[in-house]
Amino acid sequence: SQKIEQNSEALNIQEGKTATLTCNYTNYSPAYLQWYRQDPGRGPVFLLLIRENEKEKRKERLKVTFDTTLKQSLFHITASQPADSATYLCAPLDSNYQLIWGAGTKLIIKP
Amino acid sequence: GAGVSQSPSNKVTEKGKDVELRCDPISGHTALYWYRQSLGQGLEFLIYFQGNSAPDKSGLPSDRFSAERTGGSVSTLTIQRTQQEDSAVYLCASSWTSGSTGELFFGEGSRLTVL
Repeated sequence: SQKIEQNSEALNIQEGKTATLTCNYTNYSPAYLQWYRQDPGRGPVFLLLIRENEKEKRKERLKVTFDTTLKQSLFHITASQPADSATYLCAPLDSNYQLIWGAGTKLIIKP
Repeated sequence: GAGVSQSPSNKVTEKGKDVELRCDPISGHTALYWYRQSLGQGLEFLIYFQGNSAPDKSGLPSDRFSAERTGGSVSTLTIQRTQQEDSAVYLCASSWTSGSTGELFFGEGSRLTVL
């Protein structure tokens, strides 16, 4: 079955450093992958989309990579700020053209 | 507002009662999704509507769950004879099209607690 894995442990990063979150998928090859941010008690908010033929995508301090050989996407936040603290969700597209959601990684940026 | 609106934001009910959750998507969005999110879990797909096509109900966990979308806009998710394991946050999302690269716009969710 198609499976998505994200770091289950919270990630603690010092303010100003780069935070890197990992998303691994197995048993399929998504045409694209989306990343969302979710704050407590709120719905997820779209951040970035990367297609299988794109190695890297950037938006301001965010960068996403997509390695179809490793079946992995990395999500980077550079110059991290306490306001970046949230849970980040990875969602690759499955073979039925629906998004499959990871459980998310909780990111904590310490001042 | 211009976003996806869900109601109620919180619902506490007794086991065995029926509940209705409402979603008002962004105007003009043809695709509408319902997801369920339990604590520490990923979003679990329940059902999606795309325009006038028959809904994809493949994610509904049992026949106690049903959903409608009237006039291609507002949707209602109904859970009959609620059980404690139905307790979760129910999220609605809409987008311009389905199965495309469109981003999903989520509501704030309806938190359901079954006692």
